[in-house]
Amino acid sequence: DGGITQSPKYLFRKEGQNVTLSCEQNLNHDAMYWYRQDPGQGLRLIYYSQIVNDFQKGDIAEGYSVSREKKESFPLTVTSAQKNPTAFYLCASSIDQAYTGELFFGEGSRLTVL
Amino acid sequence: SQELEQSPQSLIVQEGKNLTINCTSSKTLYGLYWYKQKYGEGLIFLMMLQKGGEEKSHEKITAKLDEKKQQSSLHITASQPSHAGIYLCGADNQAGTALIFGKGTTLSVSS
Repeated sequence: DGGITQSPKYLFRKEGQNVTLSCEQNLNHDAMYWYRQDPGQGLRLIYYSQIVNDFQKGDIAEGYSVSREKKESFPLTVTSAQKNPTAFYLCASSIDQAYTGELFFGEGSRLTVL
Repeated sequence: SQELEQSPQSLIVQEGKNLTINCTSSKTLYGLYWYKQKYGEGLIFLMMLQKGGEEKSHEKITAKLDEKKQQSSLHITASQPSHAGIYLCGADNQAGTALIFGKGTTLSVSS
């Protein structure tokens, strides 16, 4: 079955540590996105990539980094510079940049900083 | 920057009752999308609206975009426990490169 796989589902991190969240898709989609969700805050865009080897900052990119070396993979690193990293992280993809609204989402990764 | 405001923030309805969720944009909408999320899971795409006055239905859920393209409503008829979850509206950002979302409406359906 085609879809988006995020891992790990739950992650605990100590302050000062970097952590990388995995996002893999087998839908052959060009565009991929990372969102952050906090209670009562909806989804906020962190980074997006419309094509391999290219990505753009979203509204809240500070303290995060990404790479897009392969079409099917878009990992997100939460660095120690992110001041409040505890959140639910969602990865999504769309066929290409012309279909930004019809997103396919993964099941999410919940990061807790201890 | 464009903002999407959803109302109500949360809603509890009795099974079988109808309900409406609203999404208002600070700017003209060129694409309005409705998604549903179960707590702790990813979002599921429901419907997309693009034209003023457009209305779409899927099973017992109907969404409409007003003529001025700044407000959308999502109406559920004869609610069921399976309708419970968080409903989010989304719209294209100014650059047309990604979606921005409202804060969501949490729906609970009591049996």
